Amino acid sequence: QQQVKQSPQSLIVQKGGISIINCAYENTAFDYFPWYQQFPGKGPALLIAIRPDVSEKKEGRFTISFNKSAKQFSLHIMDSQPGDSATYFCAASKEAAGNKLTFGGGTRVLVKP
Amino acid sequence: DAMVIQNPRYQVTQFGKPVTLSCSQTLNHNVMYWYQQKSSQAPKLLFHYYDKDFNNEADTPDNFQSRRPNTSFCFLDIRSPGLGDAAMYLCATSRGPSGRGSNEQFFGPGTRLTVL
Repeated sequence: QQQVKQSPQSLIVQKGGISIINCAYENTAFDYFPWYQQFPGKGPALLIAIRPDVSEKKEGRFTISFNKSAKQFSLHIMDSQPGDSATYFCAASKEAAGNKLTFGGGTRVLVKP
Repeated sequence: DAMVIQNPRYQVTQFGKPVTLSCSQTLNHNVMYWYQQKSSQAPKLLFHYYDKDFNNEADTPDNFQSRRPNTSFCFLDIRSPGLGDAAMYLCATSRGPSGRGSNEQFFGPGTRLTVL
């Protein structure tokens, strides 16, 4: 099963709050877990990514938490800003399979000022 | 700046009239991908090239074809567009084949296709 399940589908958060998006995967062969940010009418942009040899990665206000045993990973957006309002996609891939990304369904985040 | 470029950004075609979308990259990446993205959905992989090696997804309709004449360019041909093919078409690249950073995919801005 190649599916990646993402939740919630949408999220509203106040400016300064924390946005949390969760993803779960089935295929234990996945070895790369990126998060993409997409604004309306634009292509997805790589935000942050993690590999299964670490449990957490932080870049600025964005943090990925990774739980290998539970086959789950999550994106935390700290101090959320209105400019963070976008759709976020988690994804997973395995290098041996041509790096093909399996995407989650997406989460639309709205940050209210 | 190294980047993925898609032309045109907006394309209008008529039902059944062939259309070609183009993608170019200055990243010198080995792998190029074409995705279809419909409204409020995740991108769906149509096919990808590893160098000149073409890899089609099992559920990609025969109506969709691709060409990669050289490392920098890749084309998506839709032979007979239907109303259901209206979507955003995204091109992406990755370095491949292995090593740190090889998985990272870089997306272009997309081409919005309208079928009348």
